[in-house]
Amino acid sequence: GQQLNQSPQSMFIQEGEDVSMNCTSSSIFNTWLWYKQEPGEGPVLLIALYKAGELTSNGRLTAQFGITRKDSFLNISASIPSDVGIYFCAGQLRMDSSYKLIFGSGTRLLVRP
Amino acid sequence: GAGVSQSPSNKVTEKGKDVELRCDPISGHTALYWYRQRLGQGLEFLIYFQGNSAPDKSGLPSDRFSAERTGESVSTLTIQRTQQEDSAVYLCASSLVVYGPGNTIYFGEGSWLTVV
Repeated sequence: GQQLNQSPQSMFIQEGEDVSMNCTSSSIFNTWLWYKQEPGEGPVLLIALYKAGELTSNGRLTAQFGITRKDSFLNISASIPSDVGIYFCAGQLRMDSSYKLIFGSGTRLLVRP
Repeated sequence: GAGVSQSPSNKVTEKGKDVELRCDPISGHTALYWYRQRLGQGLEFLIYFQGNSAPDKSGLPSDRFSAERTGESVSTLTIQRTQQEDSAVYLCASSLVVYGPGNTIYFGEGSWLTVV
């Protein structure tokens, strides 16, 4: 079935460093979404991407929808302690008469002050 | 409402009992989704609704799981004869439309289910 490979699985970085994570798949997606989840909370949408090649920023976050439509990356610049959490990518594809939104397994980010 | 609302936020139940989890989506959102998240794991798709219909039920783990939506609003996820492996956070989400711009999905805070 469809699968998203998200990497890295976890990162432990120094405050101020830049972070990069990505998701890849063998399937073609119509939409890519990036979420952040903090303990005890539901995922919160960070960035939504709708077109191949689209590059979108939200503050210190930048995400791109890969040209092949099979991948996406999320960059966080100048990390701060409150960036700690689990980051999930999600891709939407059409299957028959329905649309499926598949999530990656998450990247756990820890930031050392 | 302003966001997706789920209830109960926490539920502890005995193995074999039935549970109902409720989701109130964002007002006007036509699509509603249920996901399951086990401790330390990613999100597992269960089912989604377009209006009151469920085009894709493929994620429901077994026939003990069912869901319905009425009035293109509230949805209920029912788990019958709960098992310990059902322990997880059940996340509900909604979006304005299913496909295209406007399909960004907003999550509730989840219902934490513990089966003892």
